[in-house]
Amino acid sequence: NAGVMQNPRHLVRRRGQEARLRCSPMKGHSHVYWYRQLPEEGLKFMVYLQKENIIDESGMPKERFSAEFPKEGPSILRIQQVVRGDSAAYFCASSPTKAGGSSYNEQFFGPGTRLTVL
Amino acid sequence: GESVGLHLPTLSVQEGDNSIINCAYSNSASDYFIWYKQESGKGPQFIIDIRSNMDKRQGQRVTVLLNKTVKHLSLQIAATQPGDSAVYFCAENRDGSGNTGKLIFGQGTTLQVKP
Repeated sequence: NAGVMQNPRHLVRRRGQEARLRCSPMKGHSHVYWYRQLPEEGLKFMVYLQKENIIDESGMPKERFSAEFPKEGPSILRIQQVVRGDSAAYFCASSPTKAGGSSYNEQFFGPGTRLTVL
Repeated sequence: GESVGLHLPTLSVQEGDNSIINCAYSNSASDYFIWYKQESGKGPQFIIDIRSNMDKRQGQRVTVLLNKTVKHLSLQIAATQPGDSAVYFCAENRDGSGNTGKLIFGQGTTLQVKP
């Protein structure tokens, strides 16, 4: 059973360009989470999605960032008009049902996409 | 504000010794805690978790202790090996209405194992 897949692993963009990060959850997982990690810091929650629905986007910047998880295909984290401050590692995690709380399902993380904005 | 934090940024131990990594949390409503290991260039890897109705949980060479009175969490690694060298994060999940399963991560402790 393949783990969480993310691509690309490394992405270089110039200021003002768009970045698209893809995440394929583990087979059978319908819940996806995106986190951002700045150098020497912990992961910060960005958004939680189920198929075709955004459940919690409380960690997403109000502008330029969007996420989707279509019925078919991977989840996409899209960053428009990137700036240098967007340089970070972006991790995707998936779980079979809603993680945490009363269900206590583990979140499985992918290898991350390292975005560098020049 | 509410946060999950770690006491020490770096821990250096001798191979074969036991390691203890600490974590403090501030929200008494947190009911689920997880330890993750992150090696350089990789995503976080689940180590062990514990619910708030437990004080201790053991895995293979690892033990997690939870002290709700002082809001403290620790990870103990027995007979530390070079392969244990990594950054260790504690994370919490807060139950309650509207819980969406998002994890709140601490800053991380770097464990260095000396041969």
